[in-house]
Amino acid sequence: AQSVTQPDIHITVSEGASLELRCNYSYGATPYLFWYVQSPGQGLQLLLKYFSGDTLVQGIKGFEAEFKRSQSSFNLRKPSVHWSDAAEYFCAYHPPGNTPLVFGKGTRLSVIA
Amino acid sequence: GAVVSQHPSWVICKSGTSVKIECRSLDFQATTMFWYRQFPKQSLMLMATSNEGSKATYEQGVEKDKFLINHASLTLSTLTVTSAHPEDSSFYICSARDGGGGETQYFGPGTRLLVL
Repeated sequence: AQSVTQPDIHITVSEGASLELRCNYSYGATPYLFWYVQSPGQGLQLLLKYFSGDTLVQGIKGFEAEFKRSQSSFNLRKPSVHWSDAAEYFCAYHPPGNTPLVFGKGTRLSVIA
Repeated sequence: GAVVSQHPSWVICKSGTSVKIECRSLDFQATTMFWYRQFPKQSLMLMATSNEGSKATYEQGVEKDKFLINHASLTLSTLTVTSAHPEDSSFYICSARDGGGGETQYFGPGTRLLVL
């Protein structure tokens, strides 16, 4: 079955440190992949997306993600984390057709001083 | 970017009453909208998919008579929680897919429902 796996439930990083959030998907065809961020009590905001082309995609708020087909991964990175980045991050995959996104379970990011 | 609004942002109601939540795509036409429910510290749970002008498709375990979905136009979908009970208290989020050929889902800010 199609699935998206975010292995890390909770990650804590120091402000200014680099960040990498992991995401793996299981689907054979070329995927459409997304990263969303959710602050407490809010909806989901799109950070970035990958459809095709350059495997390194840039997003908002200084985030980037790299698609690696050989590893079935789409990890999210940020070189220097800010306290305002503390939130829940969701990786999602869009199967072919007019179907809803398949979400990972999310990774909660805490940022400490 | 595309904007999706939800109204109300939060609502408190008495048990047995019905509550309507509106979801609007503000700057694009959404042929498909999705309704999610989110429990604390969990991922989103898809409730139903609605296409403009047709009946919604509900996920397994979601009562279609309890959660009425109407997608009457390309910019508006509504979710009505009928005869709400305390166990219906939750965070409801809608999402809209750009009908102009895009594959991106944009999300509303969510509606927090508390049933007393």
